[in-house]
Amino acid sequence: GAGVSQSPSNKVTEKGKDVELRCDPISGHTALYWYRQRLGQGLEFLIYFQGNSAPDKSGLPSDRFSAERTGESVSTLTIQRTQQEDSAVYLCASSLAGGPWRATGELFFGEGSRLTVL
Amino acid sequence: QKEVEQNSGPLSVPEGAIASLNCTYSDRGSQSFFWYRQYSGKSPELIMFIYSNGDKEDGRFTVQLNKASQYVSLLIRDSQPSDSATYLCAVIGGGTSYGKLTFGQGTILTVHP
Repeated sequence: GAGVSQSPSNKVTEKGKDVELRCDPISGHTALYWYRQRLGQGLEFLIYFQGNSAPDKSGLPSDRFSAERTGESVSTLTIQRTQQEDSAVYLCASSLAGGPWRATGELFFGEGSRLTVL
Repeated sequence: QKEVEQNSGPLSVPEGAIASLNCTYSDRGSQSFFWYRQYSGKSPELIMFIYSNGDKEDGRFTVQLNKASQYVSLLIRDSQPSDSATYLCAVIGGGTSYGKLTFGQGTILTVHP
Protein backbone atom coordinates (compact mmCIF):
# COMPACT_ATOMS: atom_id res chain seq x y z
CA GLY A 1 0.00 0.00 0.00
CA ALA A 2 0.93 3.65 -0.28
CA GLY A 3 0.67 4.54 3.40
CA VAL A 4 2.30 3.52 6.65
CA SER A 5 0.99 0.16 7.71
CA GLN A 6 0.88 -1.02 11.33
CA SER A 7 -0.08 -4.35 12.79
CA PRO A 8 -1.84 -5.53 14.76
CA SER A 9 -4.43 -2.76 14.89
CA ASN A 10 -5.61 -4.05 18.26
CA LYS A 11 -3.85 -6.24 20.79
CA VAL A 12 -5.16 -7.41 24.13
CA THR A 13 -2.65 -9.17 26.33
CA GLU A 14 -2.18 -10.26 29.88
CA LYS A 15 0.18 -8.55 32.26
CA GLY A 16 3.64 -10.05 32.04
CA LYS A 17 3.39 -11.21 28.43
CA ASP A 18 5.63 -9.94 25.66
CA VAL A 19 4.19 -8.14 22.65
CA GLU A 20 5.58 -7.21 19.28
CA LEU A 21 4.23 -4.39 17.15
CA ARG A 22 5.09 -3.99 13.50
CA CYS A 23 5.44 -0.95 11.26
CA ASP A 24 5.87 -0.96 7.50
CA PRO A 25 6.82 2.58 6.41
CA ILE A 26 6.28 4.25 3.06
CA SER A 27 8.80 2.98 0.54
CA GLY A 28 11.80 5.30 0.28
CA HIS A 29 11.24 6.94 3.65
CA THR A 30 14.51 6.84 5.54
CA ALA A 31 13.22 8.27 8.83
CA LEU A 32 10.96 6.25 11.11
CA TYR A 33 9.50 7.17 14.50
CA TRP A 34 7.63 5.33 17.21
CA TYR A 35 5.33 7.22 19.57
CA ARG A 36 3.09 6.21 22.42
CA GLN A 37 -0.19 7.99 23.06
CA ARG A 38 -2.17 7.25 26.18
CA LEU A 39 -5.85 8.10 26.25
CA GLY A 40 -6.33 11.86 26.23
CA GLN A 41 -2.61 12.52 26.28
CA GLY A 42 -0.07 13.89 23.82
CA LEU A 43 2.45 12.06 21.70
CA GLU A 44 5.24 10.49 23.74
CA PHE A 45 8.39 10.03 21.68
CA LEU A 46 9.92 6.57 21.96
CA ILE A 47 12.57 6.06 19.29
CA TYR A 48 13.81 7.55 16.00
CA PHE A 49 15.58 5.76 13.17
CA GLN A 50 17.30 7.73 10.43
CA GLY A 51 18.98 5.79 7.65
CA ASN A 52 22.05 3.93 8.81
CA SER A 53 22.68 6.22 11.78
CA ALA A 54 22.48 4.90 15.32
CA PRO A 55 18.85 5.19 16.47
CA ASP A 56 17.84 7.84 18.98
CA LYS A 57 16.50 5.71 21.83
CA SER A 58 16.20 8.55 24.31
CA GLY A 59 12.43 8.18 24.65
CA LEU A 60 12.24 4.50 25.55
CA PRO A 61 10.71 4.48 29.06
CA SER A 62 12.46 1.36 30.36
CA ASP A 63 14.62 -1.54 29.31
CA ARG A 64 11.45 -3.55 28.71
CA PHE A 65 11.07 -1.57 25.50
CA SER A 66 13.19 -2.17 22.43
CA ALA A 67 12.89 -1.54 18.72
CA GLU A 68 14.64 -2.67 15.61
CA ARG A 69 14.59 -1.64 12.01
CA THR A 70 15.77 -3.65 9.06
CA GLY A 71 17.62 -1.26 6.76
CA GLU A 72 15.12 1.34 5.64
CA SER A 73 12.10 -0.89 5.82
CA VAL A 74 10.08 -2.68 8.47
CA SER A 75 10.43 -1.84 12.14
CA THR A 76 9.29 -3.80 15.17
CA LEU A 77 8.67 -2.45 18.65
CA THR A 78 8.89 -5.07 21.37
CA ILE A 79 7.55 -4.67 24.88
CA GLN A 80 8.63 -7.34 27.33
CA ARG A 81 6.79 -8.27 30.51
CA THR A 82 3.95 -5.87 29.75
CA GLN A 83 2.43 -3.79 32.52
CA GLN A 84 -0.99 -2.15 32.70
CA GLU A 85 0.59 1.28 32.28
CA ASP A 86 1.80 0.16 28.84
CA SER A 87 -1.79 0.31 27.61
CA ALA A 88 -1.88 2.94 24.89
CA VAL A 89 -1.97 3.49 21.16
CA TYR A 90 1.45 3.01 19.61
CA LEU A 91 1.91 5.16 16.53
CA CYS A 92 4.53 4.71 13.86
CA ALA A 93 5.42 7.47 11.41
CA SER A 94 7.86 7.80 8.54
CA SER A 95 9.25 10.62 6.44
CA LEU A 96 11.77 11.45 3.79
CA ALA A 97 14.93 12.96 5.19
CA GLY A 98 17.67 15.03 3.73
CA GLY A 99 17.68 18.26 5.68
CA PRO A 100 15.52 20.44 7.88
CA TRP A 101 12.85 20.92 5.25
CA ARG A 102 9.25 20.06 4.72
CA ALA A 103 9.96 16.56 3.45
CA THR A 104 11.83 15.80 6.64
CA GLY A 105 9.20 17.31 8.89
CA GLU A 106 6.19 15.89 7.14
CA LEU A 107 5.53 12.71 9.00
CA PHE A 108 3.07 10.19 7.64
CA PHE A 109 1.45 8.30 10.45
CA GLY A 110 0.01 4.83 10.52
CA GLU A 111 -3.36 4.12 12.09
CA GLY A 112 -1.71 2.90 15.24
CA SER A 113 -1.69 -0.29 17.27
CA ARG A 114 -3.98 -0.15 20.29
CA LEU A 115 -2.49 -2.17 23.14
CA THR A 116 -4.56 -3.17 26.13
CA VAL A 117 -2.84 -4.91 29.01
CA LEU A 118 -5.21 -6.65 31.39
CA GLN B 1 12.44 23.06 30.26
CA LYS B 2 10.67 21.09 27.55
CA GLU B 3 12.05 21.43 24.04
CA VAL B 4 8.67 22.43 22.60
CA GLU B 5 5.98 23.90 24.83
CA GLN B 6 2.33 24.52 24.21
CA ASN B 7 -0.57 25.53 26.40
CA SER B 8 -2.60 22.34 26.70
CA GLY B 9 -5.87 24.26 26.79
CA PRO B 10 -8.59 23.52 26.18
CA LEU B 11 -9.05 26.63 24.09
CA SER B 12 -12.69 27.35 23.37
CA VAL B 13 -13.78 29.85 20.72
CA PRO B 14 -17.14 30.61 19.12
CA GLU B 15 -17.78 29.75 15.52
CA GLY B 16 -16.49 32.49 13.22
CA ALA B 17 -13.88 33.77 15.67
CA ILE B 18 -10.09 33.68 15.33
CA ALA B 19 -8.36 30.89 17.21
CA SER B 20 -4.78 31.63 18.24
CA LEU B 21 -2.48 28.77 19.22
CA ASN B 22 1.00 29.40 20.53
CA CYS B 23 4.18 27.40 20.81
CA THR B 24 7.63 28.15 22.19
CA TYR B 25 10.82 26.18 21.65
CA SER B 26 14.11 26.05 23.50
CA ASP B 27 16.68 25.24 20.80
CA ARG B 28 17.87 28.44 19.11
CA GLY B 29 19.33 26.31 16.33
CA SER B 30 15.91 25.05 15.30
CA GLN B 31 15.42 25.39 11.60
CA SER B 32 11.92 24.44 10.60
CA PHE B 33 8.52 24.45 12.24
CA PHE B 34 5.36 22.52 11.68
CA TRP B 35 1.76 22.43 12.83
CA TYR B 36 -0.14 19.16 12.90
CA ARG B 37 -3.82 18.58 13.55
CA GLN B 38 -5.12 15.48 15.31
CA TYR B 39 -8.81 14.68 15.39
CA SER B 40 -10.03 12.52 18.24
CA GLY B 41 -9.26 8.88 17.55
CA LYS B 42 -7.22 9.68 14.46
CA SER B 43 -3.54 10.06 13.65
CA PRO B 44 -1.91 13.49 13.30
CA GLU B 45 -1.68 15.17 9.90
CA LEU B 46 0.46 18.08 8.74
CA ILE B 47 -1.40 21.34 8.07
CA MET B 48 1.24 24.09 7.97
CA PHE B 49 5.01 24.56 7.97
CA ILE B 50 7.39 27.51 7.98
CA TYR B 51 11.16 28.03 7.76
CA SER B 52 11.70 31.80 7.78
CA ASN B 53 10.69 34.59 10.11
CA GLY B 54 7.37 36.17 9.32
CA ASP B 55 3.93 35.00 8.32
CA LYS B 56 2.72 32.34 5.96
CA GLU B 57 -0.91 32.06 4.96
CA ASP B 58 -2.88 29.20 3.48
CA GLY B 59 -6.61 29.68 3.29
CA ARG B 60 -7.97 30.26 6.79
CA PHE B 61 -4.66 29.29 8.39
CA THR B 62 -1.71 31.59 9.12
CA VAL B 63 1.50 30.52 10.77
CA GLN B 64 3.78 33.13 12.33
CA LEU B 65 7.41 32.58 13.23
CA ASN B 66 9.60 34.76 15.41
CA LYS B 67 13.01 33.18 15.82
CA ALA B 68 14.35 35.95 18.05
CA SER B 69 11.60 35.25 20.59
CA GLN B 70 11.57 31.53 19.83
CA TYR B 71 7.88 31.21 19.25
CA VAL B 72 5.65 30.04 16.48
CA SER B 73 1.91 30.52 16.36
CA LEU B 74 -1.02 29.27 14.35
CA LEU B 75 -4.04 31.45 13.65
CA ILE B 76 -7.28 29.99 12.39
CA ARG B 77 -9.67 32.58 10.98
CA ASP B 78 -13.41 32.08 10.73
CA SER B 79 -13.17 29.05 13.01
CA GLN B 80 -15.56 26.21 12.27
CA PRO B 81 -16.77 23.38 14.50
CA SER B 82 -14.86 21.05 12.16
CA ASP B 83 -11.64 22.74 13.34
CA SER B 84 -12.16 21.23 16.78
CA ALA B 85 -9.11 19.03 17.31
CA THR B 86 -5.76 18.89 19.04
CA TYR B 87 -3.09 21.03 17.40
CA LEU B 88 0.49 19.89 17.72
CA CYS B 89 3.49 22.14 17.23
CA ALA B 90 6.64 20.39 15.99
CA VAL B 91 10.20 21.55 15.45
CA ILE B 92 13.27 20.22 13.68
CA GLY B 93 16.08 21.23 15.97
CA GLY B 94 19.74 21.82 15.43
CA GLY B 95 20.79 19.08 17.79
CA THR B 96 22.67 15.87 17.35
CA SER B 97 19.75 13.76 16.14
CA TYR B 98 19.80 14.65 12.46
CA GLY B 99 16.46 15.80 11.14
CA LYS B 100 14.54 14.64 14.19
CA LEU B 101 11.09 16.18 14.62
CA THR B 102 10.10 17.04 18.19
CA PHE B 103 6.45 17.57 19.15
CA GLY B 104 4.87 19.68 21.83
CA GLN B 105 2.10 18.24 23.97
CA GLY B 106 -0.65 19.77 21.88
CA THR B 107 -3.43 22.30 22.44
CA ILE B 108 -7.03 21.14 22.44
CA LEU B 109 -9.23 23.50 20.44
CA THR B 110 -13.02 23.48 20.70
CA VAL B 111 -15.08 25.62 18.34
CA HIS B 112 -18.65 25.90 19.56
CA PRO B 113 -21.59 26.85 17.32
